Amino acid sequence: DGGITQSPKYLFRKEGQNVTLSCEQNLNHDAMYWYRQDPGQGLRLIYYSQIVNDFQKGDIAEGYSVSREKKESFPLTVTSAQKNPTAFYLCASSIGGGLMNTEAFFGQGTRLTVV
Amino acid sequence: AQKITQTQPGMFVQEKEAVTLDCTYDTSDQSYGLFWYKQPSSGEMIFLIYQGSYDEQNATEGRYSLNFQKARKSANLVISASQLGDSAMYFCAMREGFQGAQKLVFGQGTRLTINP
Repeated sequence: DGGITQSPKYLFRKEGQNVTLSCEQNLNHDAMYWYRQDPGQGLRLIYYSQIVNDFQKGDIAEGYSVSREKKESFPLTVTSAQKNPTAFYLCASSIGGGLMNTEAFFGQGTRLTVV
Repeated sequence: AQKITQTQPGMFVQEKEAVTLDCTYDTSDQSYGLFWYKQPSSGEMIFLIYQGSYDEQNATEGRYSLNFQKARKSANLVISASQLGDSAMYFCAMREGFQGAQKLVFGQGTRLTINP
């Protein structure tokens, strides 16, 4: 089955540590996105990528980093510089290619907690 | 500035009634797309409906329809004959930008509760 897989589902991190969240898709999509969601809040865009080896900062990129070395993978690293990393992280992908009318498909999310 | 504004943090509706969830957006692009997603308590994001900026007719998908008023920059979601399973968070989203750098941004969401 095609889809987006995020792992792990739950992640605990000690303060001061970097942690990497995995996002893999087998939908052959060009565009991929990372969002952060705080309790009862909307989705805020962290980073997005329209094509392999290229990505852009979203609205809240500080303290995060990404890579896009393969079309199917878009890992997110939460660095120690991120002051309040506890949140629900969602990865999404869409066909891309400049198409406006294609919806984004989402993974199941990773819930990160700093302990 | 907020690109997507959803002014209703919470809505309470009786089962079988229709409900309208508000969404206004801000863009200077001529070409853009508007989406609505549903997020149940499980956290998954479910795509509901899409409206393109050049679409002349309002989009419909089953019980969902989108009331698109381009001049007012609003894209309200209408759910007809609400059901208990419609209780969830609802997000309005917009895709804008040039081919190489299209962003997909979301509003703050509206929590819809359907009462029996």
